[in-house]
Amino acid sequence: EPEVTQTPSHQVTQMGQEVILRCVPISNHLYFYWYRQILGQKVEFLVSFYNNEISEKSEIFDDQFSVERPDGSNFTLKIRSTKLEDSAMYFCASITETEETQYFGPGTRLLVL
Amino acid sequence: KQEVTQIPAALSVPEGENLVLNCSFTDSAIYNLQWFRQDPGKGLTSLLLIQSSQREQTSGRLNASLDKSSGRSTLYIAASQPGDSATYLCAMETSGSRLTFGEGTQLTVNP
Repeated sequence: EPEVTQTPSHQVTQMGQEVILRCVPISNHLYFYWYRQILGQKVEFLVSFYNNEISEKSEIFDDQFSVERPDGSNFTLKIRSTKLEDSAMYFCASITETEETQYFGPGTRLLVL
Repeated sequence: KQEVTQIPAALSVPEGENLVLNCSFTDSAIYNLQWFRQDPGKGLTSLLLIQSSQREQTSGRLNASLDKSSGRSTLYIAASQPGDSATYLCAMETSGSRLTFGEGTQLTVNP
């Protein structure tokens, strides 16, 4: 069964460094999402992406964040200058144009020191 | 502001018991409601999706209901098994397709 994949599974970085989290959505999916879950807290929506542009973003998704679909398969989340509070599990999700169930990847655990 | 609340936060039951997890939401303009399962340190697995026009959905031992007027959804698990132990999340989708999640209910099924 097709799945959303994410790399790396874990990343440790120093405060102020840039990180890029990678996702490969399911191949025929057209809508892509990033969510995050700080330890012990709710899963929170960050951004949705369709047709090569951001369709919606939350108040969390400030200028430090950016998303890109650099080729036909990858979908990336970049954090330009990481802060301690960016430490979280980051999930990518995707859906087709007609289906409503969002399929989630296994997540990338980001630790900012 | 859209809010989703889940009760209880944690639940421990003996194997074989039937149980109900509760979810309440504040936005009556809900588009659909999804129930997910999350295993420790892992991603989210979609269990059931109920569209706003539907009242319930069933998959195997799971049954989810939706009552828009009262802002409530329940997930019923029949004949629970130790393998059902996980955190169960409900999430509502409003226009724009973003999901708003509850805090989750951590379920432990004891053999």
